[in-house]
Amino acid sequence: DVKVTQSSRYLVKRTGEKVFLECVQDMDHENMFWYRQDPGLGLRLIYFSYDVKMKEKGDIPEGYSVSREKKERFSLILESASTNQTSMYLCASRRGQGGETQYFGPGTRLLVL
Amino acid sequence: EDQVTQSPEALRLQEGESSSLNCSYTVSGLRGLFWYRQDPGKGPEFLFTLYSAGEEKEKERLKATLTKKESFLHITAPKPEDSATYLCAVFGRTYKYIFGTGTRLKVLA
Repeated sequence: DVKVTQSSRYLVKRTGEKVFLECVQDMDHENMFWYRQDPGLGLRLIYFSYDVKMKEKGDIPEGYSVSREKKERFSLILESASTNQTSMYLCASRRGQGGETQYFGPGTRLLVL
Repeated sequence: EDQVTQSPEALRLQEGESSSLNCSYTVSGLRGLFWYRQDPGKGPEFLFTLYSAGEEKEKERLKATLTKKESFLHITAPKPEDSATYLCAVFGRTYKYIFGTGTRLKVLA
């Protein structure tokens, strides 16, 4: 079974704090993704990575950065958290470059006060 | 522009009352259509991948079908534990996954 884990299920942070969300997958997948999910808006892609040290912007990268130093680990960084970044953050991984299935982690619910 | 529309937004069924969820899509060069189940506060759980029109896949009480314009998730004799949000997504030539906003299913005992 594919296993994608995220470092925290719930986080509460203050405006202006630097926030790190970590994701680890154990299936040697080349591709990893960060999404945020908001009611009525569905899943929106923030960043993805197709290889170690490689990254591509998704649809809503503003206010976020990412790091992929090892194949199994993909980190999302909120440089200076703002209240509009309160959301559910989902990490996913996928093998290959075609229409293969994405597998999701359990999610991190972030509240920025 | 690639687009996914799911209907209905919400559905309430009695236990044992079969029904179908719809996922209508427009995509340039479909490379895969995906169904996920998502429980409140959790990440989406993979159910099915369909690649070409006419394809069908089954798992317990769920059956997914695909045409050139839409996919259906048929739920036969549902149980309360089938209550969840069901998400549909497509992957096409843009190499991006496009998600619908989901159908919230509630099955009453």
